[in-house]
Amino acid sequence: EVQLVESGGGLVQPGESLRLSCAASGFPFSVYPMNWVRQAPEKGLEWVSYITGSGTTIYYADSVKGRFTISRDNAQNSLYLQMNSLRADDTAVYYCVRDEGGPLDYWGQGTLVAVSS
Amino acid sequence: DIQMTQSPSSLSASVGDRVTITCRASQGISNYLAWYQQKPGKVPELLIYAASTLQSGVPSRFSGSGSGTDFTLTISSLQPEDVATFYCQKYDSAPPTFGQGTKVEIK
Repeated sequence: EVQLVESGGGLVQPGESLRLSCAASGFPFSVYPMNWVRQAPEKGLEWVSYITGSGTTIYYADSVKGRFTISRDNAQNSLYLQMNSLRADDTAVYYCVRDEGGPLDYWGQGTLVAVSS
Repeated sequence: DIQMTQSPSSLSASVGDRVTITCRASQGISNYLAWYQQKPGKVPELLIYAASTLQSGVPSRFSGSGSGTDFTLTISSLQPEDVATFYCQKYDSAPPTFGQGTKVEIK
């Protein structure tokens, strides 16, 4: 059974940093590209970042480029999102999502990041 | 970047009604389109990919069509458990943009 479990969310002040983790199991992790997708309270889905299975190709949404860094450790079956210079509009539930060649077929339960002073 | 526009933003229909949601891309994306369903308080789930292919386990009352810039998600007979927000997403190239969502309620 595919499982994606996010952790690392919490309440931080503007300008601070946070590192999200996603523990994957139930599938050959290194084979699949992965994504982070976020959803602000009562808002729609916003794609944040993408990384190929090998980690060699990475993309970011313009809204987080230069502040967020996606990475993965295939030996640990883990995906990460380092978030720096956090802003109030980064407040959202962050989902770790498996990429099946484009369609996003498995989603974690999400971790809440709240940025507020 | 290609923009994805869904219509309507929300709709209310009766059980058994045929429901249609449209998604328009600002440029052609061939059939690189997926639909997701997010039930209240739940995680989004993949419904349809490649514009018209049903994900395993999705009820046959859901169907998708379209190619290029115009796409449609149809629920042939709306059921109470279909109350949700539906999102389209293009995945021809980065960024894989989502539509703004369509909220479906029961009248």
